[in-house]
Amino acid sequence: NAGVMQNPRHLVRRRGQEARLRCSPMKGHSHVYWYRQLPEEGLKFMVYLQKENIIDESGMPKERFSAEFPKEGPSILRIQQVVRGDSAAYFCASSPTATGEKLFFGSGTQLSVL
Amino acid sequence: AQSVTQPDIHITVSEGASLELRCNYSYGATPYLFWYVQSPGQGLQLLLKYFSGDTLVQGIKGFEAEFKRSQSSFNLRKPSVHWSDAAEYFCAVVLNDYKLSFGAGTTVTVRA
Repeated sequence: NAGVMQNPRHLVRRRGQEARLRCSPMKGHSHVYWYRQLPEEGLKFMVYLQKENIIDESGMPKERFSAEFPKEGPSILRIQQVVRGDSAAYFCASSPTATGEKLFFGSGTQLSVL
Repeated sequence: AQSVTQPDIHITVSEGASLELRCNYSYGATPYLFWYVQSPGQGLQLLLKYFSGDTLVQGIKGFEAEFKRSQSSFNLRKPSVHWSDAAEYFCAVVLNDYKLSFGAGTTVTVRA
């Protein structure tokens, strides 16, 4: 049973470009969470999705950021018109339940904005 | 709002020595408590968790943690560290929903 898969591992974008981060949850997991880790900080919750639904996006910036988890395929975190402050590690986690005690994390995507 | 505090940003310990990482949380009720480890360039790996019951929790890699309600603490310990324990350690809590709230992390350096 493969773990949570994130790709790419590293993503470099210039200011103003779009970044797409992908997350394939573990088999049988229908709950996906995105977290962001800024340098020298712990992880911060961004968004919680179930298949085809956004349950909680209270941690997402109001502009430029969006997330989806379609019926088929991976969850996508999309950042439009990236700025240098978006440079961070973005982690995806999946869970078989709606509660947070069985989270499995991916290895993350390191986004660098030039 | 709840918060998680890891007072030590960086700890250096000799190989074979004991290690204790501090974690305090602020919330009236007892949350679910976790310790994660992050090796360089890697994702987070769960070391152990506490939900209820015995306040001394055993985890993987020889780690244990003790929940102390009176101190709102959940400190992580290992009796004898190995060089491979060099990593960043995060304490986290889940309250009555699904969000993990993480501390800022403690970086552990192991010297020979």
